[in-house]
Amino acid sequence: GQQLNQSPQSMFIQEGEDVSMNCTSSSIFNTWLWYKQDPGEGPVLLIALYKAGELTSNGRLTAQFGITRKDSFLNISASIPSDVGIYFCAGPPGANFGNEKLTFGTGTRLTIIP
Amino acid sequence: EPEVTQTPSHQVTQMGQEVILRCVPISNHLYFYWYRQILGQKVEFLVSFYNNEISEKSEIFDDQFSVERPDGSNFTLKIRSTKLEDSAMYFCASSEGGGELFFGEGSRLTVL
Repeated sequence: GQQLNQSPQSMFIQEGEDVSMNCTSSSIFNTWLWYKQDPGEGPVLLIALYKAGELTSNGRLTAQFGITRKDSFLNISASIPSDVGIYFCAGPPGANFGNEKLTFGTGTRLTIIP
Repeated sequence: EPEVTQTPSHQVTQMGQEVILRCVPISNHLYFYWYRQILGQKVEFLVSFYNNEISEKSEIFDDQFSVERPDGSNFTLKIRSTKLEDSAMYFCASSEGGGELFFGEGSRLTVL
């Protein structure tokens, strides 16, 4: 099946630092979604990307849909304590709108060092 | 803000027992899903449901699993005879069909 690999697997940063993580796939995706998951809770949608090359921001978060359609990155600027959590990329295989069976990435765990 | 709600938040059951997990999707959404996350692992697709029938299911979703929309608001996942390896967080999700899924907070299932 399709696999989404995220890197890095984990990050330890200081408050105020910028964060960058990415997601790559061996096959083409037509939609990229970025979710954040806090411990014991469900994934919360952060950003959705629909077009190759698209760059979208949501507050301090910026995500881009790679031109090859096989990758995406997520940046967080000026990190704050509530940014702690696991970040997942996800996407539906193909242009399968209306039946979004999502494949989730392996996740990037973000920890902020006091 | 509308949200997906799930009950129970945590269920402990004996192996072999039946379990029903309940979800109330966002009211104007048409597509419903169940996903599973084993502790420390990524979220995995189980099943999608549209127009009162299963539209797609994964290999995890075997004969022990079933879904139902018994009325206009609830969406349930039933596991007929639970196994130890069914222990996981189960997430319900819904969407309008435009690509964005909204997840509930999950039901933790512990099978002893």
